[in-house]
Amino acid sequence: KQEVTQIPAALSVPEGENLVLNCSFTDSAIYNLQWFRQDPGKGLTSLLLIQSSQREQTSGRLNASLDKSSGRSTLYIAASQPGDSATYLCAGMEYGNKLVFGAGTILRVKS
Amino acid sequence: DVKVTQSSRYLVKRTGEKVFLECVQDMDHENMFWYRQDPGLGLRLIYFSYDVKMKEKGDIPEGYSVSREKKERFSLILESASTNQTSMYLCASKTGGETQYFGPGTRLLVL
Repeated sequence: KQEVTQIPAALSVPEGENLVLNCSFTDSAIYNLQWFRQDPGKGLTSLLLIQSSQREQTSGRLNASLDKSSGRSTLYIAASQPGDSATYLCAGMEYGNKLVFGAGTILRVKS
Repeated sequence: DVKVTQSSRYLVKRTGEKVFLECVQDMDHENMFWYRQDPGLGLRLIYFSYDVKMKEKGDIPEGYSVSREKKERFSLILESASTNQTSMYLCASKTGGETQYFGPGTRLLVL
């Protein structure tokens, strides 16, 4: 059974810092790996989707990588801003369009 | 713009009541999902549907049922609400290889 783990559980950084969020998964048979953002009390917003055949995806200040052989993905945020404060969730897609989520990393960017 | 709406943002119900949570998407997506989100446990899949009148159990279907009579609408039913069903409920939809689009969530409190 697929398990997704995110480290760290919480992170607090000063504005302007570059940071990395980590995600690991136990079963490499995933179709894709996705990163979402969730603001308090709200739904999830998709940030990046990496297909299993890809190694990375970029969107603005965000870069996500995928290494299926080691069961790891990272989300890199450049030049962090207070508006980046949120919970970041990674999820692996299994057969049948099922997403298996990690518990998330709570990020706080201090101004 | 993609839109997934949920019938209520907040709901308070009593133990034993029958509860209906409604989700509507306007993107003609085939696949729809119901998750619950609890602190420390992340998102867990309750049920999903890949077509009208079709449903599949997720990881935690016990105590829940679903209905999909029309493509755009996916309902989650708590037949007899219990206090351990107090949670944040999130609906999502997708098509093909795209990401899942989430609704804003319904925070349910069962007293």
